[in-house]
Amino acid sequence: DAGVIQSPRHEVTEMGQEVTLRCKPISGHNSLFWYRQTMMRGLELLIYFNNNVPIDDSGMPEDRFSAKMPNASFSTLKIQPSEPRDSAVYFCASSLLGDSPLHFGNGTRLTVT
Amino acid sequence: AQRVTQPEKLLSVFKGAPVELKCNYSYSGSPELFWYVQYSRQRLQLLLRHISRESIKGFTADLNKGETSFHLKKPFAQEEDSAMYYCALRPGSARQLTFGSGTQLTVLP
Repeated sequence: DAGVIQSPRHEVTEMGQEVTLRCKPISGHNSLFWYRQTMMRGLELLIYFNNNVPIDDSGMPEDRFSAKMPNASFSTLKIQPSEPRDSAVYFCASSLLGDSPLHFGNGTRLTVT
Repeated sequence: AQRVTQPEKLLSVFKGAPVELKCNYSYSGSPELFWYVQYSRQRLQLLLRHISRESIKGFTADLNKGETSFHLKKPFAQEEDSAMYYCALRPGSARQLTFGSGTQLTVLP
């Protein structure tokens, strides 16, 4: 298994532009998580899905952020419009329901200038 | 709400020295605790979980419910242990993990 696949690996964009981050979870996993990593705040949970349904989006910073999971093998995190303070590494992770651990992707390093 | 505290952002030790990365948590129920490691330019990966009670790469961690701690220990640090270490908690039957802010461990030659 290739593990959790995220794209792009790096994204540089200008303030005000729309950014879309993509994630393919491990096949068969039914929980998917989006985390944001910054030096100041470490890893923060943004949102997670069980069986494609958003369960907890309380970590989504504001309305500029949205996440979707149209099917079991794909999720997107969109920022519109982007701002410099959104610069961070965004991680996607997946797991099986139950007590299985999270498996993380390589992350997308977002830089908003 | 649950909380995970890693008091040290940076920790440096010499090769061969013992190392302890501290983790304290607050949660009223029975949590599950994890340590994740992130080597330079790599993805986060699970190092160990308290229910497994195993030693991975020489690291161990014991859940101390009285002190609400889950410190990560290794008796003899190696240079390849240099990485960012995150302590994480999963509360009860929840799915998501709450992470601490991480400790950057540097093992000096």
